[in-house]
Amino acid sequence: EIVLTQSPGTLSLSPGERATLSCRASQSVSSSYLAWYQQKPGQAPRLLIYGASSRATGIPDRFSGSGSGTDFTLTISRLEPEDFAVYYCQQYGSSPRLTFGGGTKVEIK
Amino acid sequence: QVQLVQSGAEVKKPGASVKVSCKASGYTFTSYGISWVRQAPGQGLEWMGWISAYNGNTNYAQKLQGRVTMTTDTSTSTAYMELRSLRSDDTAVYYCARDVTYIVGATYYYYMDVWGKGTTVTVSS
Repeated sequence: EIVLTQSPGTLSLSPGERATLSCRASQSVSSSYLAWYQQKPGQAPRLLIYGASSRATGIPDRFSGSGSGTDFTLTISRLEPEDFAVYYCQQYGSSPRLTFGGGTKVEIK
Repeated sequence: QVQLVQSGAEVKKPGASVKVSCKASGYTFTSYGISWVRQAPGQGLEWMGWISAYNGNTNYAQKLQGRVTMTTDTSTSTAYMELRSLRSDDTAVYYCARDVTYIVGATYYYYMDVWGKGTTVTVSS
């Protein structure tokens, strides 16, 4: 089973700052199988990035994804007030079909 | 618009069963799968399993094997998730999500692009 480790657990930043979130896999992951989601309190997760770097429909271009192999990154170029949330990476595998990372909380400093 | 509408909150006693529904609209139901994901209070996301709405094939998380059953009713575009022998640690919000396999050339992309709002299941004596 591939384990996804996200770091840091919490990121304290101010609006306008750049956020860099890491997702490390215990084994190599195909880039096309890696996605990122945003979740705000009391809401369902929302797809941000699929295929490691492709933005989902309607996602602002301040969100970008990169990486390959075992190391993947979600970058928010300039934090807007609505971006403070929890972010999860997720990968598709064979068994189990998919796994999530533990999440990174981006909070207002 | 594409949406998944889930059934309402449930309160169950330990040992009971719960069945959550997820009604799809705005797209061809049989062209996608449905994954179920749960989230215990204050915790992260846990994938429970997947069902193909095309042929009913399923894939369950190992820890839930034997307790969970996922089904679909293509006549009503509805997916169901039944969890049996409920325990207190099954207390969670349960989400259904449209599970996409997107093929570009020889590259397969997998992701979940539309989510239901969630169903709260509380297990308490």
